[in-house]
Amino acid sequence: AQSVTQLDSHVSVSEGTPVLLRCNYSSSYSPSLFWYVQHPNKGLQLLLKYTSAATLVKGINGFEAEFKKSETSFHLTKPSAHMSDAAEYFCVVSDRYSGGYQKVTFGTGTKLQVIP
Amino acid sequence: DAGVTQSPTHLIKTRGQHVTLRCSPISGHKSVSWYQQVLGQGPQFIFQYYEKEERGRGNFPDRFSARQFPNYSSELNVNALLLGDSALYLCASSRTGVHEQYFGPGTRLTVT
Repeated sequence: AQSVTQLDSHVSVSEGTPVLLRCNYSSSYSPSLFWYVQHPNKGLQLLLKYTSAATLVKGINGFEAEFKKSETSFHLTKPSAHMSDAAEYFCVVSDRYSGGYQKVTFGTGTKLQVIP
Repeated sequence: DAGVTQSPTHLIKTRGQHVTLRCSPISGHKSVSWYQQVLGQGPQFIFQYYEKEERGRGNFPDRFSARQFPNYSSELNVNALLLGDSALYLCASSRTGVHEQYFGPGTRLTVT
């Protein structure tokens, strides 16, 4: 079965401090994993993706994530938070099935607050 | 290049009615996916189409259907609308499959 668990619904950090958004997944196959960001009243934007290449994935705006198969985790990190990082972040898992079918599951989201 | 476009931006319908939402992918993208995002929740996968064939389906009732046209644009149809269908409907396109999806701004559907 496919599922995504974002362990924190809200995360609050001070500007300039590190960001950690946690994501655990469940998949019956070798999944692709993604992080998307959604700013208020704006569309979803792809931050980064893992598709069975390097386990440490670098994305836009200084974000990166590490795929850990043994822990079934794909946590998102950034060394230093910026005010513009305040948004909602979604972890996403994608599986391909026989016959070319695909299924995608979004996590419930983590709202990141950045305190000046 | 223009991004993913969706129409209409907002829609108000009555219970029991039918609705059609439209999506135009980025030029060169052959795959379109549809998602439902209820307020305060993450998007839920409804359908994915690639080269006009259904390639993925989420856990939605048969009242939901979709199709993709030769120009790769897509329609999402919902019959017998329920109050619970009120949501933001998102369309995403990608060159192939679900990798690197680019999302449109969504259609806000309100069912009264």
